[in-house]
Amino acid sequence: QSALTQPASVSGSPGQSITISCTGTSSDIGGYHYVSWYQQHPGKVPKLLIYDVNNRPSGVSHRFSGSRSGNTASLTISGLQADDEADYYCSSSTDDNTQVFGTGTKVTVL
Amino acid sequence: QVQLQESGPGLVKPSGTLSLTCVVSGDSISSSNWWSWVRQPPGKGLEWIGEIYHSGSTNYGPSLKTRVTISVDKSKNQFSLELTSVTAADTAVYYCARDSEGAAHFDFWGQGTLVTVSS
Repeated sequence: QSALTQPASVSGSPGQSITISCTGTSSDIGGYHYVSWYQQHPGKVPKLLIYDVNNRPSGVSHRFSGSRSGNTASLTISGLQADDEADYYCSSSTDDNTQVFGTGTKVTVL
Repeated sequence: QVQLQESGPGLVKPSGTLSLTCVVSGDSISSSNWWSWVRQPPGKGLEWIGEIYHSGSTNYGPSLKTRVTISVDKSKNQFSLELTSVTAADTAVYYCARDSEGAAHFDFWGQGTLVTVSS
């Protein structure tokens, strides 16, 4: 099971919206509703942002939203803020009862 | 509030066995959640190692499957990781995490523990 493919970096200016893609296959993202997204600041523990493709846990800002089309999931951050500068990872269930993370995307706020 | 705490040696010799324990508080290890291990080599991305249910059922990631064992101790509300035949490539921060309802999302994480493989 290979890691899901994410762009290495995405950048945007404060207030803008950015979208991070996460590409897999029909054996993972395309086949299951269990896609999640995590934010990780340097030296910190990953934080769950989105689960089941487009659900936010309590306490997560509405500026974070998730979607999926075919074998590609996306995380959109609207109203970009300085504190959004971090690494972002997607994750999905797979058809062999395992889970796989994405390669990770570094978000830079210009 | 659910809390997870990893513990174990921070230094393991090459060819040795890495052993870590994760103590869970604020939730029962026998709840409907699965319990996972995730690792992150320095400067690199997250890698899912495997998971266990309180019944003892396990699932392991393909890349480490031949070297990994995850076990559960319900009496101590904890679960453990063993990784055999370690090399420098196994140097990483190891996290334990709760997989909420087995729905493949990790809602609570331990603070992580760095394990270095070196002689």
